[in-house]
Amino acid sequence: AQSVAQPEDQVNVAEGNPLTVKCTYSVSGNPYLFWYVQYPNRGLQFLLKYITGDNLVKGSYGFEAEFNKSQTSFHLKKPSALVSDSALYFCAVRDLDTDKLIFGTGTRLQVFP
Amino acid sequence: DAGVIQSPRHEVTEMGQEVTLRCKPISGHNSLFWYRQTMMRGLELLIYFNNNVPIDDSGMPEDRFSAKMPNASFSTLKIQPSEPRDSAVYFCASSLDRYSNQPQHFGDGTRLSIL
Repeated sequence: AQSVAQPEDQVNVAEGNPLTVKCTYSVSGNPYLFWYVQYPNRGLQFLLKYITGDNLVKGSYGFEAEFNKSQTSFHLKKPSALVSDSALYFCAVRDLDTDKLIFGTGTRLQVFP
Repeated sequence: DAGVIQSPRHEVTEMGQEVTLRCKPISGHNSLFWYRQTMMRGLELLIYFNNNVPIDDSGMPEDRFSAKMPNASFSTLKIQPSEPRDSAVYFCASSLDRYSNQPQHFGDGTRLSIL
């Protein structure tokens, strides 16, 4: 069965510094990977996805993610964090047997001014 | 372009009452998903539809929960009778189709409190 893990409950970073939110996955075939962001009292918003092709995927709001097959990771990155990036971030993998999205437990990103 | 619309945004009701949550997916989207989010259990998929037909309801917790999609632009999630442990935020999401590379678009949820 497919699964995804987000090892950090919270990540703290100063504004202007680079940020990384970690995600590792376990799949039986080629992974379909996604990142979503959730702001307070809002639904999840799609940021980016990896299906195939370049290992570096660019998404919304200046975010990007690097797919690393050997390390089974799909870390979310941004070169310069903004206070407005503070939110809950979810990594997800598509379960190819059921077509369901399997979400991680979420990582709360706090960007300090 | 309007996103996924859910109503009501907040619902507070007493234990034993019937609760109906509503969702209007994005026009042209063929797949619709209902999720529940709690601190303890995170985000759980309850049921999903494709072309108005329920495909997988294995996440529906009990017979007290039921979902319908009478047409392509409307779905309901009903809880009868409601219990305090049903308190959560319920999200509806839609996507173009059920296949692997299509992102899901979420509504802003219904925050349900059962007293």
